[in-house]
Amino acid sequence: EVQLVESGGGLIQPGGSLRLSCAASGFTVSSNYMSWVRQAPGKGLEWVSVIYSGGSTYYADSVKGRFTISRDNSKNTLYLQMNSLRAEDTAVYYCARGRYFDSIDIYYGMDVWGQGTTVTVSS
Amino acid sequence: EIVLTQSPGTLSLSPGERATLSCRASQSVSSSYLAWYQQKPGQAPRLLIYGASSRATGIPDRFSGSGSGTDFTLTISRLEPEDFAVYYCQQYGSWTFGQGTKVEIK
Repeated sequence: EVQLVESGGGLIQPGGSLRLSCAASGFTVSSNYMSWVRQAPGKGLEWVSVIYSGGSTYYADSVKGRFTISRDNSKNTLYLQMNSLRAEDTAVYYCARGRYFDSIDIYYGMDVWGQGTTVTVSS
Repeated sequence: EIVLTQSPGTLSLSPGERATLSCRASQSVSSSYLAWYQQKPGQAPRLLIYGASSRATGIPDRFSGSGSGTDFTLTISRLEPEDFAVYYCQQYGSWTFGQGTKVEIK
């Protein structure tokens, strides 16, 4: 079964650090475009970061310089290292598989999502 | 960065009615790069449409997507009770989402 399971969320003080994990099963993380998407309470979806199959990484301006996306191919797991956390980073964080096939130049969307992990930044 | 603007913010309709949701891009977007998602309270988003008009696996044919350039549309031909939710468009490249359209029961 194709599945993503996030973990690592919790309550953290402003300025602190947290690392989120996203364990994949049924497919290979390193062969796909893997994203983190967050949703603040009562708000819409906000894309946070993506790591391409080739290893390139991209970030939303709101987290650039503070968050780092990475993957461990041996564990088939995606990570999000979050430093210098702020109250506005409070959200449910989802990992998602995005599929793009450059041979036919089609983006197949984010077709697999985790259940989300909650990060609360508060003193 | 391409900004996606969805309208209306809220759509109040009755079951059986047709829903038309709009997603407008700040600059031209390849239709191959536009996706739509549905999200219900307490759940992760679900992919509905990719490539602007192709339904994802298992999506009923009452959902359809269209558009090109800067204007894209998600249409639900006849609303079922389970379709009342929030819908987001999203673009590959800038990876950004629109702000969402809530389809609520009238």
